[in-house]
Amino acid sequence: QSVLTQPPSASGTPGQRVTISCSGSSSNIGSKTVNWYQQLPGTAPKLLISSLNQRPSGVPDRFSGSKSGTSASLAISGLQSEDEADYYCAVWDDSLNAWVFGGGTKLTVL
Amino acid sequence: QVQLVQSGAEVKMPGASVKVSCKASGYTFTGNYIHWVRQAPGQGLEWMGRISPNNGGTNYAQNFQGRVTMTRDTPVSTAYMEVTRLTSDDTAVYYCARESPNSNGWWFDSWGQGTLVTVSS
Repeated sequence: QSVLTQPPSASGTPGQRVTISCSGSSSNIGSKTVNWYQQLPGTAPKLLISSLNQRPSGVPDRFSGSKSGTSASLAISGLQSEDEADYYCAVWDDSLNAWVFGGGTKLTVL
Repeated sequence: QVQLVQSGAEVKMPGASVKVSCKASGYTFTGNYIHWVRQAPGQGLEWMGRISPNNGGTNYAQNFQGRVTMTRDTPVSTAYMEVTRLTSDDTAVYYCARESPNSNGWWFDSWGQGTLVTVSS
């Protein structure tokens, strides 16, 4: 059972906008910046974006991150087939003194 | 460019130990924490702990206290993670990742390619 809750799956058609949620608590999302990672099949995770919408260089602005209270969201606009991957949220938890990950959301591009 | 290169796949018997290495290049090794994250087959990511390459200080996740040891060798810019008393539940891909600051906190901006550890009799 993950400390952070994500929907196990999401889907959309090319060009659509999809949103993936990540729910936590006051000891993690409520007080810290959330980061999102993309994991393509058979590869290592890759840093995508933070909840303050900060992106590392090379990540397209189709990806956006936000946070409200104890929940965070990742939005992908102009969905492309190459976006088909697993997406994980992650944040530091003050109560556990540990980084915690969501269970992951498998995004399918129909 | 920043690179983290991990050691190759391992097959171990139950009860044995495994030590995985993570060689850093492209930046000052002592400037950033190295974290270890594992992923069991078909499962999500699990944080194991971190080490400061600067002073060797470590923090371990509660699930791994007493069974995991993280070390580093600064002259060769390499971090190590050892797991003892292996069981089949430890079969997973183990990743190292570099922690870096962002505008309001920290993130893992570079990851190793992963090391598959298989525990089987």
